[in-house]
Amino acid sequence: GAGVSQSPSNKVTEKGKDVELRCDPISGHTALYWYRQSLGQGLEFLIYFQGNSAPDKSGLPSDRFSAERTGGSVSTLTIQRTQQEDSAVYLCASSPYTGVSYNEQFFGPGTRLTVL
Amino acid sequence: AQSVAQPEDQVNVAEGNPLTVKCTYSVSGNPYLFWYVQYPNRGLQFLLKYITGDNLVKGSYGFEAEFNKSQTSFHLKKPSALVSDSALYFCAVRDMGGNNRLAFGKGNQVVVIP
Repeated sequence: GAGVSQSPSNKVTEKGKDVELRCDPISGHTALYWYRQSLGQGLEFLIYFQGNSAPDKSGLPSDRFSAERTGGSVSTLTIQRTQQEDSAVYLCASSPYTGVSYNEQFFGPGTRLTVL
Repeated sequence: AQSVAQPEDQVNVAEGNPLTVKCTYSVSGNPYLFWYVQYPNRGLQFLLKYITGDNLVKGSYGFEAEFNKSQTSFHLKKPSALVSDSALYFCAVRDMGGNNRLAFGKGNQVVVIP
């Protein structure tokens, strides 16, 4: 079946511009995560959505970062006024929620963001 | 907070030789441990997980991992490495903060030499 998809695959932007990154999770997966992968920082958790519950935003690095998930499916991560330190690969993952806490997460290919 | 450590930056192994990628964990309570692999310009692919039960967990592509509670380790192993196994390997532990997020190690680059 179809996996997690992300778009665009690459994004180059100028410092100060806003960017939107999109994630389409696996159909039926109610849990959705955003992570950031950068040199020197490894993989960092950003935000978590589960069904209709309020998202866990505890990993967002600043108020320039926000995310939404419409209709419990597609998610958009928005970075306002981008800075060079925002350059990284942004990974989205989804997971089925079956009442247990150890389901593996399925990752998309990522969006490579470069801020000039 | 839950965490994992991958002490080596790079693991070099000759094709056909056994491959081991090390991971140690620090958790409060029972650990839920995962291994993922990342090929160049690709997302992370799930290999295997330990939840409970047998300490030896078998996963995809011939990989297995051994959970050792006394040593707080979860090393990834493959009996005979292939050149195609060259990739970045991540150990992860489920964070107990209630959102099931994963806390990842820094990753290990595995290079299999033909």
